[in-house]
Amino acid sequence: GENVEQHPSTLSVQEGDSAVIKCTYSDSASNYFPWYKQELGKGPQLIIDIRSNVGEKKDQRIAVTLNKTAKHFSLHITETQPEDSAVYFCAASMGQAGTALIFGKGTTLSVSS
Amino acid sequence: EADIYQTPRYLVIGTGKKITLECSQTMGHDKMYWYQQDPGMELHLIHYSYGVNSTEKGDLSSESTVSRIRTEHFPLTLESARPSHTSQYLCASSESGPGGNTEAFFGQGTRLTVV
Repeated sequence: GENVEQHPSTLSVQEGDSAVIKCTYSDSASNYFPWYKQELGKGPQLIIDIRSNVGEKKDQRIAVTLNKTAKHFSLHITETQPEDSAVYFCAASMGQAGTALIFGKGTTLSVSS
Repeated sequence: EADIYQTPRYLVIGTGKKITLECSQTMGHDKMYWYQQDPGMELHLIHYSYGVNSTEKGDLSSESTVSRIRTEHFPLTLESARPSHTSQYLCASSESGPGGNTEAFFGQGTRLTVV
C-alpha cells in the first residue's frame, strides 16, 4: 500500500519568512496530493491540492509542487503570518474508486511575530 | 462549512463497554473514512467505505467495526473499550471524481477517553 513520509516534523519561522514542507510517497500509481491544515480542536481542512498531470499550483501565498519522477511534493508558504501557525498534513491517494487518502505524520508550523 | 457531523464530541466511558461513534454527512459523498489521531499527531486510517455495503480496513482497524447501510451514515463501533482506545476519532467524506479522489471534508472529531 501507499506510504507517505513528511519532513520536517516541526518548523519555526519568523513572520514574513517562507516555509517549506516536503513529502515523499511510495506508490507511483498515486495521482492526487492534497495538503491539509489543522488548527487546535478542529478537523483538518484542505488548503490546496494537486493532481499528477500538473507540476505546480498556486493560490495566493500558498503553492504546491510535484515531482512525479522523484515521487515527492512540497508545500510552500510565502510571507508567513502568525495565523499560519498550525499542523500541516500532506496526503496521497490513487485514482481507483476503492482507495483511501493516506496521510503523512504532520508538520507543526510556528510563526513568531 | 462542511456538512459532516460527528457525535458525541466528547465521551468518557469505562473499560469493557461497547460504544458507537456516529458520523453523518449530507453532501451525498460516496466515500467515507474513519481516522484515529492523538492531538497534533499522525492520522491513522482505521476504516473506509467507497459506497453502500462496501467497507475496507485500514492500518489500525483490528479492534473496531463499521457499517455503511446508508450513503450518509458511517458509524464506528468498539465492542469492548480499553484505555488504549483513548484518542480522537475523525470522520471524513469525499466524492469520487473522474480523475479519482477529491477533497475530503472532516468532522469536528470525537474525543474518547476510556477509564
